[in-house]
Amino acid sequence: QLQLQESGPGLVKPSETLSLTCAVSGGSISSSSNYWGWIRQPPGKGLEWIGSVYYSGTTFYKPSLESRVTISVDTSKNQFSLKLTSVTAAETAVYFCARHLAVVGSDPFDMWGQGTVVTVSS
Amino acid sequence: SYELTQAPSVSVSPGQTASITCSGDKLGDKYASWYQQKPGQSPVLVIYQDTKRPSGIPERFSGSNSGNTATLTISGTQAMDEADYYCQAWDSSTVVFGGGTKLTVL
Repeated sequence: QLQLQESGPGLVKPSETLSLTCAVSGGSISSSSNYWGWIRQPPGKGLEWIGSVYYSGTTFYKPSLESRVTISVDTSKNQFSLKLTSVTAAETAVYFCARHLAVVGSDPFDMWGQGTVVTVSS
Repeated sequence: SYELTQAPSVSVSPGQTASITCSGDKLGDKYASWYQQKPGQSPVLVIYQDTKRPSGIPERFSGSNSGNTATLTISGTQAMDEADYYCQAWDSSTVVFGGGTKLTVL
């Protein structure tokens, strides 16, 4: 059974860089039928997609975040990572990693990590 | 940027049919997916490609998508279905989520 597990600092200072990793177990991150994404959810609010990455390294990001986001994949460690620079308190949220199920034109997120809380505060 | 609009809340009596809608410009030309999220839990995919149910999702969950509106229908709603529901679609290589609908079963 595929599992995803987020890890990283739970507290980040304003203007600094948020860095998270998602470890994939029970399956290969290099499977050509899947790709991987990051989603966040501020307290009491809805889901916001941050970006996604193929195992090949091809990425696509939410346009409003693109200048500050980097998502990368490490196939040797079967994991992928998120870096978000210059964070503000408004980016305090639960950060989820998830798998896209490659289904033509749909590509939903069919597997999710448990989420990790990141607080941006000095 | 593309937007998906959902009503903030919907109420339904146990055993009745709940309909949760998601509106977006020409949404019917795209595929819609739906997620269920209970408090403190990760979202769960319940519908994808407008109408398909992943393995393990009860048959009472169904979906449709036409024109500007996608609809998630829960037939014979149970107390366990009380949750937040989010629609999602793709637009220009970006993922868009609706704002979410809180379904109350009372």
